[in-house]
Amino acid sequence: GEDVEQSLFLSVREGDSSVINCTYTDSSSTYLYWYKQEPGAGLQLLTYIFSNMDMKQDQRLTVLLNKKDKHLSLRIADTQTGDSAIYFCAEKSGGYQKVTFGTGTKLQVIP
Amino acid sequence: DAGVTQSPTHLIKTRGQHVTLRCSPISGHKSVSWYQQVLGQGPQFIFQYYEKEERGRGNFPDRFSARQFPNYSSELNVNALLLGDSALYLCASSLSGTDTYNEQFFGPGTRLTVL
Repeated sequence: GEDVEQSLFLSVREGDSSVINCTYTDSSSTYLYWYKQEPGAGLQLLTYIFSNMDMKQDQRLTVLLNKKDKHLSLRIADTQTGDSAIYFCAEKSGGYQKVTFGTGTKLQVIP
Repeated sequence: DAGVTQSPTHLIKTRGQHVTLRCSPISGHKSVSWYQQVLGQGPQFIFQYYEKEERGRGNFPDRFSARQFPNYSSELNVNALLLGDSALYLCASSLSGTDTYNEQFFGPGTRLTVL
């Protein structure tokens, strides 16, 4: 079955890098995602990585995928106070749009 | 262009009642998925509809049902409400419902409170 796990909380200082980690269990995952959710708001897709890739960089965001260990990470460079939010790791497998989300990591950025 | 819209934004019901939540996808999107997000947890997949047919179903009881209309909008119905159904219900739309990558765009959600 599918299961996605994340640590619950991360606190960093403004300007530092943040690294949010995630582990998943479904070896047939085709896409892995990072979503951001701000208070009272819906989910915003930050970035995604196809399962045959090891790394993807998009401006301040770097995604690393270790498929052997089923480990996904999101690095945010030069973290800003506006990055404070809950970050969800998610994976998609199968022929339809079911996405399995983790429990979310609350990122707190200290000015 | 309008994003995914959901109505109502907030809803309060009592146990045993039923509720209908509505979703309008982005124009041109033919797939709609529904998720339940209980406070403090990640969203859980309930249904996906594509071209008016159910294409996927999560681990939810038969009290939950949905449908998609010819204009691709969708309704989620929940019967015999329980306290545990209190959650944020998210709708997401995408161009198609296939395995090829196509991004899901989420609406702002409907906050359901069951008393």
